[in-house]
Amino acid sequence: QKEVEQNSGPLSVPEGAIASLNCTYSDRGSQSFFWYRQYSGKSPELIMSIYSNGDKEDGRFTAQLNKASQYVSLLIRDSQPSDSATYLCAVCPPRGNNRLAFGKGNQVVVIP
Amino acid sequence: DVKVTQSSRYLVKRTGEKVFLECVQDMDHENMFWYRQDPGLGLRLIYFSYDVKMKEKGDIPEGYSVSREKKERFSLILESASTNQTSMYLCASRPGGSYEQYFGPGTRLTVT
Repeated sequence: QKEVEQNSGPLSVPEGAIASLNCTYSDRGSQSFFWYRQYSGKSPELIMSIYSNGDKEDGRFTAQLNKASQYVSLLIRDSQPSDSATYLCAVCPPRGNNRLAFGKGNQVVVIP
Repeated sequence: DVKVTQSSRYLVKRTGEKVFLECVQDMDHENMFWYRQDPGLGLRLIYFSYDVKMKEKGDIPEGYSVSREKKERFSLILESASTNQTSMYLCASRPGGSYEQYFGPGTRLTVT
């Protein structure tokens, strides 16, 4: 089983809608969770960190963590064309040896 | 703001050449990382360093070496470049005690 899985294919959402991305992780003891945004040809940019169960909001972004079910989600409200990017989920496993485990990413396309 | 810089955005080298990729961070971070990113394979960790002169192998260290003589600088060395090392190379850093990791702009390396 992969450490971090992002299984959805490309997500197309109309401008102004909510984009919802999901990520599951295999190591139940993981404590730190991150979402990165990566524009085509650019490097990943940290947009959200979450450490406790529940929701964390930052502007139009909301991260949701459920440790019992081992998933972390990212909601993008009022999606804008500038949100079109690949979103990477990253998890720090307890035996991660000082390193993050990354998912392969989900592409989001916001249609004007 | 965290600033991670990489010596080149684009680099073209010939097979068999020795290649140096440099990464510098200005936030006094203890931990530094080198990844490569390829379509369909995601981010793969090559090497990381948690202190000056310390290094740890990541998932794909073969064909690479690293050097960290100063805290702010982490170099990736391709001893004898091969075409299968054509990739996007990403450096990242993070402070001790935190798992929030920050990436440099990346170097697109082409080996012909």
